[in-house]
Amino acid sequence: DAGVTQSPTHLIKTRGQQVTLRCSPISGHKSVSWYQQVLGQGPQFIFQYYEKEERGRGNFPDRFSARQFPNYSSELNVNALLLGDSALYLCASSPNTGELFFGEGSRLTVL
Amino acid sequence: GDSVTQMEGPVTLSEEAFLTINCTYTATGYPSLFWYVQYPGEGLQLLLKATKADDKGSNKGFEATYRKETTSFHLEKGSVQVSDSAVYFCALKTGGGADGLTFGKGTHLIIQP
Repeated sequence: DAGVTQSPTHLIKTRGQQVTLRCSPISGHKSVSWYQQVLGQGPQFIFQYYEKEERGRGNFPDRFSARQFPNYSSELNVNALLLGDSALYLCASSPNTGELFFGEGSRLTVL
Repeated sequence: GDSVTQMEGPVTLSEEAFLTINCTYTATGYPSLFWYVQYPGEGLQLLLKATKADDKGSNKGFEATYRKETTSFHLEKGSVQVSDSAVYFCALKTGGGADGLTFGKGTHLIIQP
């Protein structure tokens, strides 16, 4: 079975631009979470979605938004990019057990 | 708020050495505790977990015991291998998990042959 897949794997943007990151969960997983991992730091929680509804939100500005589709895939959008948004963005899916299965991430560089 | 503190890396050991990576936490309520591992070029993988005090999580020769009295969840392995080289993250989750996992900064482990 395929694991969590994320796209794109790498991308470069400039300050002020907008970015959309995509995530496909493991088949059968209804929950998707997003994390930001800045170089040298642990991942920080951004959002959790379950059955297309937002179930949790971390301490991130409103420039960050997300949604989950009927097929449980998800998108993370970041508007008005800042240099500090440069990071590895991780998506994780989970079954009802709550264990998180992470993708390999999308590495965003903001210039 | 919740927080996790783990020992700074990199930690460099010789093959077959004993490993300890310290992890302490601050949390409201009674968290579940986790160790995740990130091998080079791969995503995070759950290594082991413990959901209540005195529980011991174990997997692949690694162990960690949930110590409520010292708010710790130290990772140990009796004999490390070169293939254990990776970044290890300690994490916690409180309540229903709507706030997601809180991770430590990670400890880079390097095992030399």
